[in-house]
Amino acid sequence: DGGITQSPKYLFRKEGQNVTLSCEQNLNHDAMYWYRQDPGQGLRLIYYSQIVNDFQKGDIAEGYSVSREKKESFPLTVTSAQKNPTAFYLCASSVSDGTYEQYFGPGTRLTVT
Amino acid sequence: KNEVEQSPQNLTAQEGEFITINCSYSVGISALHWLQQHPGGGIVSLFMLSSGKKKHGRLIATINIQEKHSSLHITASHPRDSAVYICAVDYGGSQGNLIFGKGTKLSVKP
Repeated sequence: DGGITQSPKYLFRKEGQNVTLSCEQNLNHDAMYWYRQDPGQGLRLIYYSQIVNDFQKGDIAEGYSVSREKKESFPLTVTSAQKNPTAFYLCASSVSDGTYEQYFGPGTRLTVT
Repeated sequence: KNEVEQSPQNLTAQEGEFITINCSYSVGISALHWLQQHPGGGIVSLFMLSSGKKKHGRLIATINIQEKHSSLHITASHPRDSAVYICAVDYGGSQGNLIFGKGTKLSVKP
């Protein structure tokens, strides 16, 4: 089955620790995205990547880092510099950049205490 | 600032009712997306449209480009339709990233 997987579904960390969220897709999509969702707010773009070895900051990139070494993988690291990391994180992909349908993963709920 | 406004924020309906969720945006767009988010959190794309109307089963999405407005309709609603419905717009940037509304939480009672 083609799709996007994110793991784990729930993640708990202590404040001050970096944590990496996994996102893998087997849809052969060029573009991948990371969004953050907070209660009462719309999804906000953290980082996106249009092609392997290239990525761009979104609206709220501070405190986050990404890599895109393989087409199918786009891991997100939440660093200790992120002031409010507890949130629901969604990964998405699309065929290419521009106006294409985005496919979403199941999400990872990160809680930092 | 490019914004997306959805209404209502919350909607409770009885099974079988016709439901309408509205979405307004501020400037011209290249496409508008309707997404469904179930309580578990995963998001499914329902429609992507840039003009006119699309239909899939009991779901209908319309868009009025001149009025910068879209509606999502659900006919013969069912408790399994209970979810958060999210409108997102693509303002046509090369990166394809979307601007999202805050969502409409729909609860359909049996």
